[in-house]
Amino acid sequence: DIQMTQSPSSLSASVGDRVTITCRASQSIGSYLNWYQQKPGKAPNLLIFAASTLQSGVPSRFSGSGSGTDFTLTITSLQPVDFATYYCQQSYNSKWTFGQGTKVEIK
Amino acid sequence: QVQLVQSGAEVKNPGASVKVSCKASGYTFSSYSITWVRQAPGQGLEWMGWISGYTGDTNFAQKLQGRVTMTTDTSTGTAYMELRSLRSDDTAMYFCAREGGAHPYADYWGQGTLVTVSS
Repeated sequence: DIQMTQSPSSLSASVGDRVTITCRASQSIGSYLNWYQQKPGKAPNLLIFAASTLQSGVPSRFSGSGSGTDFTLTITSLQPVDFATYYCQQSYNSKWTFGQGTKVEIK
Repeated sequence: QVQLVQSGAEVKNPGASVKVSCKASGYTFSSYSITWVRQAPGQGLEWMGWISGYTGDTNFAQKLQGRVTMTTDTSTGTAYMELRSLRSDDTAMYFCAREGGAHPYADYWGQGTLVTVSS
C-alpha cells in the first residue's frame, strides 16, 4: 500500500493566518492527490483534487500544490469556519489511502 | 442535486454481520462508482473499498478481504456494504461516497452510519 504522511498532526493558528499542511507519499503518485476538510460529526468535504484543482464552491483562499511525493495545502487567510481536520488522500492506484489528518485549532 | 442517503445506526454483537445501505439520487447511478470509508471514534479516515455502479466490479482494502461484500441495486440506485464477523474494532462511522473524475476523488458523501459492536 502507498503510505501517506501528513505534517503537522495538529497546529494552532489565529484568524487571518496563513496555514500550510504538507503530505508526503511513500512513492511517486504523480498528481493523484486530493484534500478533504472534515468538521466534527460531519462527512468529509472535498476541497482540492488532482493536487491543485479547486472543487466547485470551495473558497479561493484554499490552494494545493505539488507532484510526485510531496504536496501542500495552503489556506492563505484562515477564517473561523476553517477550523477543522484536513486529510490528504491518494488515488494513484485503485486502493486508496488517506493521511492521518491534520487538526487545525484556534490559537 | 446529488444526494447519498445512508441507513440508520446499528448495534451488533461481536461475530454478527451488518449491512449498510446508501441510496443515491440526482445523477445517473451507473455512471459512477461508490466508495466506502470508515472512521473509528476519534481516529482518521480508512478507505474500505469501492464498487462500480456500471459493472459491479469491486476492489477492497487488503485488511478487509474476506469479511466485506459490496453490492448495488441499479433499479433503485442503492449501494450496500456488508461486513461480517464483526469485532469491537469495527465500531466506527461508515460513509459512502460517489467516486468521480479522471483523477479519482470522492465528491459527494453520505451522512454516515454509526455501527457499534458491543456485547
